[in-house]
Amino acid sequence: KNQVEQSPQSLIILEGKNCTLQCNYTVSPFSNLRWYKQDTGRGPVSLTIMTFSENTKSNGRYTATLDADTKQSSLHITASQLSDSASYICVVSSGPTGFQKLVFGTGTRLLVSP
Amino acid sequence: GAGVSQSPSNKVTEKGKDVELRCDPISGHTALYWYRQRLGQGLEFLIYFQGNSAPDKSGLPSDRFSAERTGESVSTLTIQRTQQEDSAVYLCASSPSGTGSEKLFFGSGTQLSVL
Repeated sequence: KNQVEQSPQSLIILEGKNCTLQCNYTVSPFSNLRWYKQDTGRGPVSLTIMTFSENTKSNGRYTATLDADTKQSSLHITASQLSDSASYICVVSSGPTGFQKLVFGTGTRLLVSP
Repeated sequence: GAGVSQSPSNKVTEKGKDVELRCDPISGHTALYWYRQRLGQGLEFLIYFQGNSAPDKSGLPSDRFSAERTGESVSTLTIQRTQQEDSAVYLCASSPSGTGSEKLFFGSGTQLSVL
């Protein structure tokens, strides 16, 4: 069964600190892996998209890594800000070109405390 | 428009009533998706529209659920005879052409509460 598992479920860090969120997947075939940020009451917003051949991708203070061999990904947030408080969702795309069949993780809820 | 727009933002209904949710995708986006997000769970795929092709309805949970899209614009998701288990946030997303590595743009969702 195609699954995406994220850890931890929730995390509290102090403003200015770094953190790393984990994602393991069993989706096959694999097309790409995405990280989304979802603020409370809003839709998810794309942070990064990585294909099989990409090991790392950055978007400002967000850096995602992908190990396609072990089927693991991580999202590293540097110098956290209060506005980083949100749910971070790992999503794996499985399917032929032309149709996106996305498998969503349940997210890691991050709270950045002042 | 500037982004994906969904309405209403909140809907409270009584069990057994029909509801209609609306999605306005980003202008020019040919691909449109509906997802359901239950509390504490990951997004579940419901239906996918791509241009004038037949929609992929493989995610619709029952025949009480249906969706339509007019050309490459507005889409409506209809839930008939609502049940309490239908309570969730219904999210719509669009993308330029539905190809593999495109970014999806989500609306803010409709929070549906069935009493």
